[in-house]
Amino acid sequence: EDQVTQSPEALRLQEGESSSLNCSYTVSGLRGLFWYRQDPGKGPEFLFTLYSAGEEKEKERLKATLTKKESFLHITAPKPEDSATYLCAVQWGSGGSNYKLTFGKGTLLTVNP
Amino acid sequence: GAGVSQSPRYKVAKRGQDVALRCDPISGHVSLFWYQQALGQGPEFLTYFQNEAQLDKSGLPSDRFFAERPEGSVSTLKIQRTQQEDSAVYLCASSPDGPNNQPQHFGDGTRLSIL
Repeated sequence: EDQVTQSPEALRLQEGESSSLNCSYTVSGLRGLFWYRQDPGKGPEFLFTLYSAGEEKEKERLKATLTKKESFLHITAPKPEDSATYLCAVQWGSGGSNYKLTFGKGTLLTVNP
Repeated sequence: GAGVSQSPRYKVAKRGQDVALRCDPISGHVSLFWYQQALGQGPEFLTYFQNEAQLDKSGLPSDRFFAERPEGSVSTLKIQRTQQEDSAVYLCASSPDGPNNQPQHFGDGTRLSIL
């Protein structure tokens, strides 16, 4: 069973058409939930960290929210340059091994002009 | 630049050859991580260093994989007797102080192809 599940796997939007990406997790003892953006041939680029349910963070057209079992990445009025794969990752657990990131498979977002 | 730097960007090797991948973390970052990313998948944890100490190598797929960070800065991931299933992008990440809750900043990876 996957510990981090992202949906949808792929999403096509028209420029200006707002939508949301979902990241659900089954781990216990969440320490932090991270959103990254990854462009083809590049490494993941850090976007947000969320630590507790109810927390929200915004950056330009992106807003990330967190509940007890999932996070949403809302994209408002997207532009073609927002096209990328969006990755969700969690740090979880107690003790000395809660530093590693467990990633979902990502959502491939395409924004058409 | 101020980011994580990885070299080479691309590496092609024949099955059975040894390869070495280099990572230059952000200056002053204590924690360094290696991840493996297969096509269409998210990165998967391989190993973690805090300064020069390798505190976790639980994600290394086999004893053919070896990582070091002798002076607490640059790190090298070595793969011996490469196999076709080793083909993937190898990502390095670093974070400032202790590892917990800190965002990890990634390099652009080394794309390894084993023929």
